[in-house]
Formats: sequence, structure tokens, C-alpha cells
Amino acid sequence: AQTIHQWPVAEIKAVGSPLSLGCTIKGKSSPNLYWYWQATGGTLQQLFYSITVGQVESVVQLNLSASRPKDDQFILSTEKLLLSHSGFYLCAWSLQANYAEQFFGPGTRLTVL
Amino acid sequence: GDSVTQTEGPVTVSESESLIINCTYSATSIAYPNLFWYVRYPGEGLQLLLKVITAGQKGSSRGFEATYNKETTSFHLQKASVQESDSAVYYCALDLPGTGSNRLTFGKGTKFSLIP
Repeated sequence: AQTIHQWPVAEIKAVGSPLSLGCTIKGKSSPNLYWYWQATGGTLQQLFYSITVGQVESVVQLNLSASRPKDDQFILSTEKLLLSHSGFYLCAWSLQANYAEQFFGPGTRLTVL
Repeated sequence: GDSVTQTEGPVTVSESESLIINCTYSATSIAYPNLFWYVRYPGEGLQLLLKVITAGQKGSSRGFEATYNKETTSFHLQKASVQESDSAVYYCALDLPGTGSNRLTFGKGTKFSLIP
């Protein structure tokens, strides 16, 4: 069975500090990977997607970056956090096909103070 | 751009009563997007409830149904008789086939719970 793990579960960070959020998928090779973000009271929106190692496409510009260093790993990061980065971050995977169901991780709650 | 609008929660109904959560969509770049309902139960991750990729078709799962109506651009979620285990946040979403990103556009979510 496939499992998706995100870390950390929650994070409280200062404005201007760096951030790194991680996501690992086990039990599935060569998945599509996605990062989503939801601000408090806002709508869940896709930030990045990746169809293969080393290749990441940005969907929404939020002064964040993403990388896929391994087939099963997806990293979201920034060197300088903004207050507006607060929210809930979800990682997801799917098969490489149209209409493919996306499977979501448990998420990371980020609070920027 | 593309958007999804759904019933603003929270929504509460009594056990065994019917539930409907409205969802309408706007897809500016394609006439027939794929439509989804996702659900997040308390303490669990977001998961797919049902999907319909063909206009006019109905999807169903766990007693819930939703029909893809291209005339009214709607995809309302219904259940005839709710129970405690249905308490959750429900999200309507669409994606655009053939765009490569499998980019889901979500509504804001509708929290549902039973009237105690």
C-alpha cells in the first residue's frame, strides 16, 4: 500500500527565517507530486507540481520554491518567510495519467509570527 | 480564471435527514472540466469521495451522489439520510483535462455536522 508522510506536523517560525517542509511517498514509483496551500479562511490552491525527479513546475508565485531530489521526495522551501506564508500545506501524489485521483498527505500547519 | 463556489458552512442537519451541498463552477479555458468531491473527516487527511468526468453523468460513493450538470455548471452533493459518520468538511473541485498539471481548483470547503 502507498503511504504519504509529511514533516513537520506543525511549525511556528519567525518572519524572515528559512523554511523547509518535506513530503515522502512510499510504495509508488514515478508518481506525479504536488504541493497545495490553504491560508486560514482561504481556498486550497496548487503551488507546484512535478512529474519526474529534478523537474518542478510553479503554478502560483508565493516566494516559495520546490524541489524533487528523489523519486519519492518533494521539498517546499524558502529562505525568508513572510507573514502571508502562514497556513496549511498539503502534499499529494497521483499516477501519471489524466483524471488521476490525487492522494493527500496529512498536512503541515505553518504559523509565521 | 477557473473557480468553484460552494455552500458556505457550517451546515447542520438532524440525523436521518437529507443533506445537500451546492457547488457551481466556472471553467474559462475549457467547456467540460473534470469534477470532484473531496472530504476531510476529523483527524484524517483529504480524500476523494467521488468524481465525474463526463457531463450528464452521476457519481456516487458512501451514499452520496452528485450529477454533472453542464447547463447549470453545477455539481451538487446530496445524501438522502445522513449519520454521525458523515460529519466532515466537503470540498468541491475541478481540474482541466489535458493541461498536464492535474491542477485541482477547490472551493472553500463546507463543514457539515449533525445537530446534536
